[in-house]
Amino acid sequence: KQEVTQIPAALSVPEGENLVLNCSFTDSAIYNLQWFRQDPGKGLTSLLLIQSSQREQTSGRLNASLDKSSGRSTLYIAASQPGDSATYLCAVSDAAGNKLTFGGGTRVLVKP
Amino acid sequence: DVKVTQSSRYLVKRTGEKVFLECVQDMDHENMFWYRQDPGLGLRLIYFSYDVKMKEKGDIPEGYSVSREKKERFSLILESASTNQTSMYLCASSLSGTGAGKQYFGPGTRLTVT
Repeated sequence: KQEVTQIPAALSVPEGENLVLNCSFTDSAIYNLQWFRQDPGKGLTSLLLIQSSQREQTSGRLNASLDKSSGRSTLYIAASQPGDSATYLCAVSDAAGNKLTFGGGTRVLVKP
Repeated sequence: DVKVTQSSRYLVKRTGEKVFLECVQDMDHENMFWYRQDPGLGLRLIYFSYDVKMKEKGDIPEGYSVSREKKERFSLILESASTNQTSMYLCASSLSGTGAGKQYFGPGTRLTVT
């Protein structure tokens, strides 16, 4: 059974610092990996999706890497802003690309 | 933009009531999902559907059933609500085939069972 772990569970940084969020998974037979953002009491917003054949994806200040063989992904957020404060969730899909298994999330606070 | 809507943002029900949570997506997605999210337990898959009238159990289907009569609508049913079903419920949809994987989420329904 796939297990996804995110470390740290919470992170607090001053504005302007770069953020590094880690995700690990136990079964490398994945179709893709997604990073989501969740604001308190809200649904999830997809940030980046990395196909299993890719090594990284970039969108603006966000960059996500994937090392499938070692079961790891990292989300980098450059020059953090208070608006980046949220919970970030990592999820991996099964080999068919349908079902997602989520990590527990990293709660980020960016202090002005 | 894909839009996934859920019938209620907040719902309060009594123990033993039958509860219906509705989800509608407007992008002709084949796959639809129901999750619950609880502190310390994360998101857990309850049921999913990859086509009309098709359904598969997720990781925690006990106490729930689902209905998908039309492609755009996926309903989650709590036959007899219990206090341990108090949770945030999230619906999602995605394409299958070459577009597989990227899931789009609704805003969530916070259900309280008293």
